[in-house]
Amino acid sequence: AQSVTQLGSHVSVSEGALVLLRCNYSSSVPPYLFWYVQYPNQGLQLLLKYTSAATLVKGINGFEAEFKKSETSFHLTKPSAHMSDAAEYFCAVSPTGANSKLTFGKGITLSVRP
Amino acid sequence: DTAVSQTPKYLVTQMGNDKSIKCEQNLGHDTMYWYKQDSKKFLKIMFSYNNKELIINETVPNRFSPKSPDKAHLNLHINSLELGDSAVYFCASSQVPGVVVQTQYFGPGTRLLVL
Repeated sequence: AQSVTQLGSHVSVSEGALVLLRCNYSSSVPPYLFWYVQYPNQGLQLLLKYTSAATLVKGINGFEAEFKKSETSFHLTKPSAHMSDAAEYFCAVSPTGANSKLTFGKGITLSVRP
Repeated sequence: DTAVSQTPKYLVTQMGNDKSIKCEQNLGHDTMYWYKQDSKKFLKIMFSYNNKELIINETVPNRFSPKSPDKAHLNLHINSLELGDSAVYFCASSQVPGVVVQTQYFGPGTRLLVL
């Protein structure tokens, strides 16, 4: 079975600082990987996804993530945090092939200090 | 112009009642999903339908019954509501899953509170 692990439940950064949200996956074969963002009282929005085309994936709002097979990681980064980035971030994994069931990590709350 | 919409947005009800949540997507997608987000914000898939056919059915109590009248709609009916059913329920849709991974688009969620 596939799974993702998001260490920690809360990350706090200052505005303008680097954002780093960690995600490690467990899968017998390289899966598809996703980062979703959930703003307060809203649904989930896709930030970016890894589909084996390129290991460095750029997403919306200045976010990017790098797939590292040797580390089974897919960490999310943004060079400079903005107040509007404060939200809940979910890493998710999906098997390749016909079944597109998403398995989510437990999520990380990002706070941005002025 | 909302891509994936859900009604109602909030639902407060008593234990033992039966309730339904409706979902509609106007993206022309063939596949729809229901996810449950608990109080700790953990998200877990419940069901998936592909063109009105059930393709994913996770370990969900029989009190939960999805119904897809057409590929643009996926409703969730819950019988005999229990306190533990309190959660946020998200509907999502995507193109047909296949060799190329498809992005799932989520609705705004329905916040269910069972008293």
